[in-house]
Amino acid sequence: QSVLTQPPSVSAAPGQRVTISCSGSSSNIGNNVVHWYQQLPGVAPKLLIYHDDLLPSGVSDRFSGAKSGTSASLAISGLQSEDEADYYCAVWDDRLDGWVFGGGTKVTVL
Amino acid sequence: QVHLVQSGTEVKKPGASVKVSCKASGYTLTNYGFTWVRQAPGQGLEWMGWISTFNGDTRYEQKFQGRITLTTDTSTGTANMELRSLGSEDTAMYYCARVRILGAHFDSWGQGTLVTVSS
Repeated sequence: QSVLTQPPSVSAAPGQRVTISCSGSSSNIGNNVVHWYQQLPGVAPKLLIYHDDLLPSGVSDRFSGAKSGTSASLAISGLQSEDEADYYCAVWDDRLDGWVFGGGTKVTVL
Repeated sequence: QVHLVQSGTEVKKPGASVKVSCKASGYTLTNYGFTWVRQAPGQGLEWMGWISTFNGDTRYEQKFQGRITLTTDTSTGTANMELRSLGSEDTAMYYCARVRILGAHFDSWGQGTLVTVSS
């Protein structure tokens, strides 16, 4: 069982908006920055959002991140077929003295 | 351009050890540490450990303590992950990634190394 809780799956039609939640605690999300990774089928993960809400160079601005208290979220607007992937939140945990990942959320474009 | 290139597929018997390497290029090595993440078939990402290329400091996920050793060789720009006493549950894709400091994001990843443990 993951320290961070994500929904196993979300789905929506092309052009719609989806939001993925990531719930943690005061030792991780509540006290540290959250990062999000996208993993397309069969390839290594890729950094999508860092420091809660910053986009790396080259990442579409259809992706956005937010954090409040001990929860974070990733939003994808204008959903496209190429967004079908697994998405993971990650954060440093002060109590565990290491990084922790959410269980991952599979995004399906209907 | 930053590149992390990992060693090839490994097949090991239960009880054996495996060493996966990760060769970095395109940046100043000592400005970043390495972290290792694994993914069992059909499962999520699992953080394993981190090593500083500046002073060799390490952090390991508790479940791997005593079984894992991370090293770096700054002369060759290579990071290594050794995992001992392998069991079938260690069958997974193993990734290295670059990270600037503890708590930061993993901004560049290797392509992954498949390790299969089977008798």
